Amino acid sequence: AQSVTQPDIHITVSEGASLELRCNYSYGATPYLFWYVQSPGQGLQLLLKYFSGDTLVQGIKGFEAEFKRSQSSFNLRKPSVHWSDAAEYFCAVGPNMEYGNKLVFGAGTILRVKS
Amino acid sequence: DTGVSQDPRHKITKRGQNVTFRCDPISEHNRLYWYRQTLGQGPEFLTYFQNEAQLEKSRLLSDRFSAERPKGSFSTLEIQRTEQGDSAMYLCASSSGRGEGAINNEQFFGPGTRLTVL
Repeated sequence: AQSVTQPDIHITVSEGASLELRCNYSYGATPYLFWYVQSPGQGLQLLLKYFSGDTLVQGIKGFEAEFKRSQSSFNLRKPSVHWSDAAEYFCAVGPNMEYGNKLVFGAGTILRVKS
Repeated sequence: DTGVSQDPRHKITKRGQNVTFRCDPISEHNRLYWYRQTLGQGPEFLTYFQNEAQLEKSRLLSDRFSAERPKGSFSTLEIQRTEQGDSAMYLCASSSGRGEGAINNEQFFGPGTRLTVL
């Protein structure tokens, strides 16, 4: 079965500092990986996705993520955090023919940005 | 494109009552998903429709839950005889089922319906 682990429940960074949010997955095949962001009262918004090819993927809002098969990881990074990045971030493993059409999400990491 | 909309945004009900939520997907999307999100957790898959056909159901979807998508457009999720454990955010998402690799097309999420069962 698929599973996603986000080891950090909360992370606090200073505005302008770099950010890395961790994501580890368990999967029986080549995974399709996603990062979503959720602001209070808002739905989830897709930041970026990895299907194949280049293991470093660029997303919206200056985010990027790197797929590392050997570590079963898909960590999200941003070189300089803005106060507006404060939100909850979810890593997810995507649909596939074996496990069906659902996304499987991690428990999320709440990002706090201090000025 | 007005995005995925859900109604109501908030619902407070007493234990034992029935509730129904509505989801309007992006108009050209033929795939629709329901997820449930409890506090401190990521969304959990409940069910999936392709057009009007309900193709997948999670074991989380007990007999008290039923979902429909009668004309392949909007969908409803009904919970009968609500329990306090049903309190959660219910999220709807839609995606396009067209194109190569359509199974991995982006799922667009609505703002959710927050259910509180007293």
